[in-house]
Amino acid sequence: GENVEQHPSTLSVQEGDSAVIKCTYSDSASNYFPWYKQELGKRPQLIIDIRSNVGEKKDQRIAVTLNKTAKHFSLHITETQPEDSAVYFCAEGPLYAYSSASKIIFGSGTRLSIRP
Amino acid sequence: GAGVSQSPSNKVTEKGKDVELRCDPISGHTALYWYRQSLGQGLEFLIYFQGNSAPDKSGLPSDRFSAERTGGSVSTLTIQRTQQEDSAVYLCASSLQPGVAKNIQYFGAGTRLSVL
Repeated sequence: GENVEQHPSTLSVQEGDSAVIKCTYSDSASNYFPWYKQELGKRPQLIIDIRSNVGEKKDQRIAVTLNKTAKHFSLHITETQPEDSAVYFCAEGPLYAYSSASKIIFGSGTRLSIRP
Repeated sequence: GAGVSQSPSNKVTEKGKDVELRCDPISGHTALYWYRQSLGQGLEFLIYFQGNSAPDKSGLPSDRFSAERTGGSVSTLTIQRTQQEDSAVYLCASSLQPGVAKNIQYFGAGTRLSVL
């Protein structure tokens, strides 16, 4: 069935170091892989996404990579800063949702803490 | 409106009472999701509405939970005979119509439900 596994559940890194969060999915039909960031007490917000026809996408200090063959995708944050502390959710699903059978599935989340 | 609006922002109720939570999606968004987020936990999918399709109710935890979406816009999540384990933040998200934009979810600020 539909499932996306996210690891690790918690991650603590020194400020300035890199952080990597990994997700594995099972639905080979999925072609859209967004990442959401949820700061403490706030709502989740999209920070970056990737389509299945792309292997890597970068936006300043964050990047996402996709290995469609292995059904893995990862979030990479470089030069981490205190404001990167949050819970990060990966997700997978169809690029366009035409019916209620095409929902986005979220991972269980990674709590990232940046140590000063 | 400018974003997804949820009301009330906080709701305190007594065990056994019924509660209604409201979500106003972004105007023109055809997809609407409800999630439950317990303290420090991930996003638990509850129900998904997409246009005129029958909703995906696979995430509703029991028959005490139900949701409606009237006129393809406002949605109400109803919890009957509330239990203490229903205490959580209930998040609503909406997405733009398929074929126009990617399957990006815009979240509301949530309703924090406390069952005493």
